Amino acid sequence: EAEVAQSPRYKITEKSQAVAFWCDPISGHATLYWYRQILGQGPELLVQFQDESVVDDSQLPKDRFSAERLKGVDSTLKIQPAELGDSAMYLCASSRDNGEKLFFGSGTQLSVL
Amino acid sequence: GESVGLHLPTLSVQEGDNSIINCAYSNSASDYFIWYKQESGKGPQFIIDIRSNMDKRQGQRVTVLLNKTVKHLSLQIAATQPGDSAVYFCAERPIGGTSYGKLTFGQGTILTVHP
Repeated sequence: EAEVAQSPRYKITEKSQAVAFWCDPISGHATLYWYRQILGQGPELLVQFQDESVVDDSQLPKDRFSAERLKGVDSTLKIQPAELGDSAMYLCASSRDNGEKLFFGSGTQLSVL
Repeated sequence: GESVGLHLPTLSVQEGDNSIINCAYSNSASDYFIWYKQESGKGPQFIIDIRSNMDKRQGQRVTVLLNKTVKHLSLQIAATQPGDSAVYFCAERPIGGTSYGKLTFGQGTILTVHP
């Protein structure tokens, strides 16, 4: 069964350092999403791609976060510099149809010390 | 802003019982709803979805009910098993406003199944 691949699984960093997360969506899924999930809460959308184009990044803190999906397949989410409040699970998801039946990866658990 | 919420943050059931997890949504313009199961340390796993032109949909051991009159969504799990223990999230997709097309998640319900 096809899955959304994410790496690394865990990341520990110090504040002010740069971190990057990688995601490979399910083959054929044009829409890719990055969500952030704080413990005990539901995921919140950071950025949504349709192929290589950003269609929604209204909740992305653009002063420190950036995301790209250069060839419309895999994607990278970067934080620079990391802050203590960025500690969370970062989830990547993909879907065939916009906004429907999202499939999630296992996430990257980020701890900023 | 509008959000999806849950009546019960925790639910404990005995193995073999049926479970019902409830979700209240406030955005009457949402056209699509979905339930996810999330186990500790893992990403959300798709369970079942339903469009707003339906009021019931069944899957394997699960049923989703949609009541648009009172803006209520529920997930029924038949013959609950210990492996069903997880956090369950409902999510909606608004078709209007600033959240157009964005899947918006509720806070989750913790389901614990006792052997």
